Order: sequence, then structure tokens, then C-alpha cells
Amino acid sequence: KQEVTQIPAALSVPEGENLVLNCSFTDSAIYNLQWFRQDPGKGLTSLLLIQSSQREQTSGRLNASLDKSSGRSTLYIAASQPGDSATYLCAVIFPGTYKYIFGTGTRLKVLA
Amino acid sequence: NAGVTQTPKFRVLKTGQSMTLLCAQDMNHEYMYWYRQDPGMGLRLIHYSVGEGTTAKGEVPDGYNVSRLKKQNFLLGLESAAPSQTSVYFCASSLTGGNYGYTFGSGTRLTVV
Repeated sequence: KQEVTQIPAALSVPEGENLVLNCSFTDSAIYNLQWFRQDPGKGLTSLLLIQSSQREQTSGRLNASLDKSSGRSTLYIAASQPGDSATYLCAVIFPGTYKYIFGTGTRLKVLA
Repeated sequence: NAGVTQTPKFRVLKTGQSMTLLCAQDMNHEYMYWYRQDPGMGLRLIHYSVGEGTTAKGEVPDGYNVSRLKKQNFLLGLESAAPSQTSVYFCASSLTGGNYGYTFGSGTRLTVV
């Protein structure tokens, strides 16, 4: 079964810390991977999209990397801020489909 | 630019009642999706459409029906609501099959009592 896993489920860090969120998937031959942010009671906001031919994508303080051979992606957040507090979701499209499968997310809290 | 718009944002239904959730996108996207989000379960795909006039079942389609009569609209129907359908429903669209990622609506919070 194709699955996406995010560990840890929750993370609390002090402001200013650099941090890494993890996403693992069961099939290394993915089509693409997208990271989203979800604030409480809100919808999903796209952060970064990595297509299968790419190794990483960057946007501001965010950097997402993709290692298909190990079935992993990491989202690196530099110099974290309280405004980064949210749930971060990873979603993967596996070969033969065009539908995202989502991880259950990592709930991040950045303490001031 | 509106992107993906979902209506209504909130709704309370009694068991057995019916309702339709509307998703509208103005980006000329071909693909549209309905997901539900439940605590501890993540987002699960209910139904999706790969173009006007097409629909297909996702992971959890039972109890729901969909229609895509116009390219910009994707409707999700509950014919006889059950408490197990209490959830937050999200609509998403993509230009192709996700090659350029998904754009999500802000969600509909549905409570069935």
C-alpha cells in the first residue's frame, strides 16, 4: 500500500531555532511531492512543490529536499518565528495515479 | 483572483438530511478533487474529476455523490447525512494531474447531529 508518513506528529521549539520536518513515502518512484501549511481552522496553503526530476526547492526561509532513493523529503525552516506555528503537511503523487496521498502532518509550535 | 472557492463555510445538518457543497475555481484547471479531513486520519480523497463531465471514486466515496457539469464547478452531495460524515471538507484543483501542484479551497466545516 502506498503511504506517506510524517514524524514527529508534534514539535515545539524556541524562536530562532533552525528545524527540520520529515516526510517518508513507501514508493521511491514518485511523480511529485508538495509541502503545505495549514493554520488552525483554515485551508491548506502551498509552500513548495518538488517534481520527481528535482532535488530541492527553496522559498525564503524554507528549503525542501527530495531523496527518492531513500523515500524521504525534508522541510528545513531557518530561524523559526512564532508565525511559523502551524501544521505542515506533506503530499505525494505516486506513479500511475494523479491523486495526492497526504501524511497526517507535523504540528509545529514556535515559542516566543 | 479568487482561486478555489467553497460554499458554504459552515453547516449543521440533522441525520438524514441532504445537502450539496459547491466548489468553484477560476483558474481553468482540468482536475478537481474533494477531500475530507478528520483528526488523526489526515486528508482522504472522496471523489475526483479529470475534466468536465467526468467523475471517479477516491478512497472513501460511500455516502457521497459528485457532479462536474461545468469545468469550473465541482459539486459534492450528501443524500442522507450521517454523523460519521461530520468532518471538514476541502476542495482542490490542479491544472493537470498534479504536475503543477494543487490549489485548495478554505474548507467547509460540516456537523451532522
